[in-house]
Amino acid sequence: DQQVKQNSPSLSVQEGRISILNCDYTNSMFDYFLWYKKYPAEGPTFLISISSIKDKNEDGRFTVFLNKSAKHLSLHIVPSQPGDSAVYFCAVNTGTASKLTFGTGTRLQVTL
Amino acid sequence: GAGVSQSPRYKVAKRGQDVALRCDPISGHVSLFWYQQALGQGPEFLTYFQNEAQLDKSGLPSDRFFAERPEGSVSTLKIQRTQQEDSAVYLCASSSTGVNTEAFFGQGTRLTVV
Repeated sequence: DQQVKQNSPSLSVQEGRISILNCDYTNSMFDYFLWYKKYPAEGPTFLISISSIKDKNEDGRFTVFLNKSAKHLSLHIVPSQPGDSAVYFCAVNTGTASKLTFGTGTRLQVTL
Repeated sequence: GAGVSQSPRYKVAKRGQDVALRCDPISGHVSLFWYQQALGQGPEFLTYFQNEAQLDKSGLPSDRFFAERPEGSVSTLKIQRTQQEDSAVYLCASSSTGVNTEAFFGQGTRLTVV
């Protein structure tokens, strides 16, 4: 039973355009959400996070949006750059639990 | 060190062999996590330590899997009598606290059981 879903296994975006990666979750008790980026043969790297008390968090080119009523999370990258090409995982954490539950990832390719 | 360090990077084991995977967390990080990532999947939680105490081992798939962190720093994940389905990347992560904070991952150990 997948608690965190990333329904798009891959996404291709032209350089300079916006990349939008989506994530859905099932448990309304989740209250902290993170995005990780992963290059081949490397471990995931933390990108950005958001607490359930907010609906938006921005860090440079990266913005995460949270829609609690829809149990939906999205990551916007603008403008997209070739170096952004990687696999992106959303992850959730409850306030009282230590573990992260990850989605299956979306492979982003930014083309020239 | 500057980041989470895992060794070995790659391990090939014959079925039935025991293996030990090492994790050196970021200095001062009290929380340490092990995850298993199968091909094409996201990382899946195995176990969690706060200092030397193993507070959650609910993700360990069988009693062949054992983890320890005896002095609250370096951790070892041991897999006994390896089976082909154990083939995966094993990721270690550490964080300064365990709750509502980002965890920093190592590069992982790719285990292949033949």
